[in-house]
Amino acid sequence: GAVVSQHPSRVICKSGTSVKIECRSLDFQATTMFWYRQFPKQSLMLMATSNEGSKATYEQGVEKDKFLINHASLTLSTLTVTSAHPEDSSFYICSVSTYTGELFFGEGSRLTVL
Amino acid sequence: SQQGEEDPQALSIQEGENATMNCSYKTSINNLQWYRQNSGRGLVHLILIRSNEREKHSGRLRVTLDTSKKSSSLLITASRAADTASYFCATALTGTASKLTFGTGTRLQVTL
Repeated sequence: GAVVSQHPSRVICKSGTSVKIECRSLDFQATTMFWYRQFPKQSLMLMATSNEGSKATYEQGVEKDKFLINHASLTLSTLTVTSAHPEDSSFYICSVSTYTGELFFGEGSRLTVL
Repeated sequence: SQQGEEDPQALSIQEGENATMNCSYKTSINNLQWYRQNSGRGLVHLILIRSNEREKHSGRLRVTLDTSKKSSSLLITASRAADTASYFCATALTGTASKLTFGTGTRLQVTL
């Protein structure tokens, strides 16, 4: 498997500010990572596929200028929520794809925008 | 949408009983996976079953897949209080083996 570390686990910010969430693959060189969003008691919705060294692929309805993804190395992908608003408050989870097709998830980051 | 529907949405059982969760999906898949999520945490992979497989076991877990009905079930035998969590099925479409679409989830509560 793969060990995935996500930071921060919780963040509170003021409306209009930007927040960066890091996702690190600690023991696996991840060419592909996935970013999901989860609202309370709901399922995970795929936001984007993060590709090392190239642009992320965003799902329909996800604003790429709002949710900036950078995957500059095989061990790190970052998600930046720009000009955050209260409706962006959610649980953001990253995952690493391995050769077997299984996903290994970080512990998630709970964003609260005041 | 490919998103799977899970049934039931919530399940409450006593320790020692078996828990069965069902998942239905809409299109052809490469594989189907089950994940567990404790409240406020990340997801943990439980089991992967490929489209050419019909049943798979892992410890107290048994997963079945019926591609003709586009459905899968997860059975947890001899449940324990520690099994309390949300369980999600996730499907990988044919040709996109690792991009997963998650189902709506089943919240399982196991009481002593």
